[in-house]
Amino acid sequence: QVQLQESGPGLVKPSQTLSLTCTVSGGSISSGSYYWSWIRQPAGKGLEWIGRIYTSGSTNYNPSLKSRVTISVDTSKNQFSLKLSSVTAADTAVYYCAREGYSGYDSYYFDYWGQGTLVTVSS
Amino acid sequence: SYELTQPPSVSVSPGQTARITCSGDALPKKYAYWYQQKSGQAPVLVIYEDSKRPSGIPERFSGSSSGTMATLTISGAQVEDEADYYCYSTDSSGNHRGVFGGGTKLTVL
Repeated sequence: QVQLQESGPGLVKPSQTLSLTCTVSGGSISSGSYYWSWIRQPAGKGLEWIGRIYTSGSTNYNPSLKSRVTISVDTSKNQFSLKLSSVTAADTAVYYCAREGYSGYDSYYFDYWGQGTLVTVSS
Repeated sequence: SYELTQPPSVSVSPGQTARITCSGDALPKKYAYWYQQKSGQAPVLVIYEDSKRPSGIPERFSGSSSGTMATLTISGAQVEDEADYYCYSTDSSGNHRGVFGGGTKLTVL
């Protein structure tokens, strides 16, 4: 059973960089044809896809965040990470990491999720 | 930018059929997926590739897609099905962007 766990600071100051890590257990991050993704959800609002990375290092990002987002993978640690720069209060949200499979027809799906971690942007 | 449109809320009595729709211009070419999110929990996949049900999801959950609209149907909704439901797909711009619908709050009472 694959499990994902987010970790990182729960409080980030405005204009700084938000950094989160997702640790994958129960399977190798390199095995299978899966992508590793980040999603966020502001309190009381809907889900927003941030981006994904393949173990080759290939990435896709949400165009609305692309200039500020970097997703990387460390296969030796079975982890992948999110960096979001120049944060503002609007970036306050629960951040989820997830495994994303590919169905074909440029269609992807999340089958395993972390429990989520709340990141607050405040001075 | 590409959007998936869902009704904000749907309400049914226990045992009735709930239908939640998701409209998007790219749905004729892309699969739709449905996620259930209960309060304080991570989302759970309930329908994938328009109409397939993952292992462990009750048979009362079904999905369909026609043209620019995908539909999640819960036949004989139970009180425990009360949750937020999100559709998810990919836009057609070629940048492989994932897109969630705005979510639908299902009330069963």
